Amino acid sequence: EVQLLESGGGLVQPGGSLRLSCAASGFTFSTYGMSWVRQAPGKGLEWVSGISAGGRKFYADSVKGHFTISRDNSKNTVDLQMLSLSADDTAIYFCAKHMTTVGSPSDNWGQGILVTVSS
Amino acid sequence: SYVLTGAPSVSVAPGQTARITCGGENIGSKSVHWYQQKSGQAPVLVVYDDSDRPSGIPERFSGSNSGNTATLTISRVEAGDEADYYCQVWDSSSGHLWLFGGGTKLTVL
Repeated sequence: EVQLLESGGGLVQPGGSLRLSCAASGFTFSTYGMSWVRQAPGKGLEWVSGISAGGRKFYADSVKGHFTISRDNSKNTVDLQMLSLSADDTAIYFCAKHMTTVGSPSDNWGQGILVTVSS
Repeated sequence: SYVLTGAPSVSVAPGQTARITCGGENIGSKSVHWYQQKSGQAPVLVVYDDSDRPSGIPERFSGSNSGNTATLTISRVEAGDEADYYCQVWDSSSGHLWLFGGGTKLTVL
């Protein structure tokens, strides 16, 4: 059974940083693309960043330059380093596995982790 | 940039058919995926590549895509189908490689 477990969320002040991590199990992690998708309170889904099995990185324009995605295929984890956070980054962040490459849909999602940016 | 449009809400009685649409310029040339998100839960993929169903998704869920409109059809609607539904496309020309529609709230009367 595929499992994705996010960690690292919480309350952070504007301008601060946070690192999210997603621990994956139940599949051959190193062969699948992974993404982070967020959902602001009461709003819709927004794709944030993705990383291919081989490590190629993709970002939404809204986070380019202040979010960094990475993966460790030896630990089956995918991380999202978030810098210079603002209130607009407040959201539930979901880790998602793609069916194959980052260009394929996401067939498994974690339960999400809340990030709150507030003073 | 590419934009996906749709109704914010759809209401249907149990046992009836719900049709949730996703509009976009020449969306028929793209592969459309649909997600169901129940309140407080993570999204679940219910239809991919316009009309395919992942394993475990009931046959009551089907999809089509042509011209400027993609449609998710839910037959014999049940109370448990009440959720937000999001369409999704890959668009390398936009600032978000993966675009989601704004979501449609399905209410089962």
